Amino acid sequence: GAGVSQTPSNKVTEKGKYVELRCDPISGHTALYWYRQSLGQGPEFLIYFQGTGAADDSGLPNDRFFAVRPEGSVSTLKIQRTERGDSAVYLCASRLDQGGTIYFGEGSWLTVV
Amino acid sequence: QKEVEQNSGPLSVPEGAIASLNCTYSDRVSQSFFWYRQYSGKSPELIMSIYSNGDKEDGRFTAQLNKASQYVSLLIRDSQPSDSATYLCAGDDMRFGAGTRLTVKP
Repeated sequence: GAGVSQTPSNKVTEKGKYVELRCDPISGHTALYWYRQSLGQGPEFLIYFQGTGAADDSGLPNDRFFAVRPEGSVSTLKIQRTERGDSAVYLCASRLDQGGTIYFGEGSWLTVV
Repeated sequence: QKEVEQNSGPLSVPEGAIASLNCTYSDRVSQSFFWYRQYSGKSPELIMSIYSNGDKEDGRFTAQLNKASQYVSLLIRDSQPSDSATYLCAGDDMRFGAGTRLTVKP
């Protein structure tokens, strides 16, 4: 596709439920990033994939958060037992290679009620 | 843990003035730095990248990098109301600072 695509664009879920957020990067981009952004804050790094492997997952806040990228393209961020504090915009970005520009998707707005 | 710190905001300048945004970083490994602009409710978009010490100019924007001081800045000349946004900096590990909110008043 022309840009980074994220689905769903909006998700409202109940506390305790499981949520999956999908990211489809720009074709050919080997690096993929997930961020979480709360109102008035900068994007908080969660995880970085290089190809299929998680090169750096040090930003995942706890074991309720998990992400995969099984074929080195589409990635899914999985959140178990959601809490109200998980409400935020989840941004995905991709880049062609190390040192290049990253391009963001429009984000998935998650609200946990 | 690499960290990026940005000058505290919000920053307000009159239309036509120069806006100066600053960023310091804690590691000496990063070789490239990026400035992103984020409008309210939108995703960040790249303004400028800089890889070498010194200045890099692109239209009304100038990025300045000083690797010895671990400091990178963004100057916006002839500020316009449309420049009102949050400005984010990052090193090549793509970890962002908290951002500086800029308001340009007509």
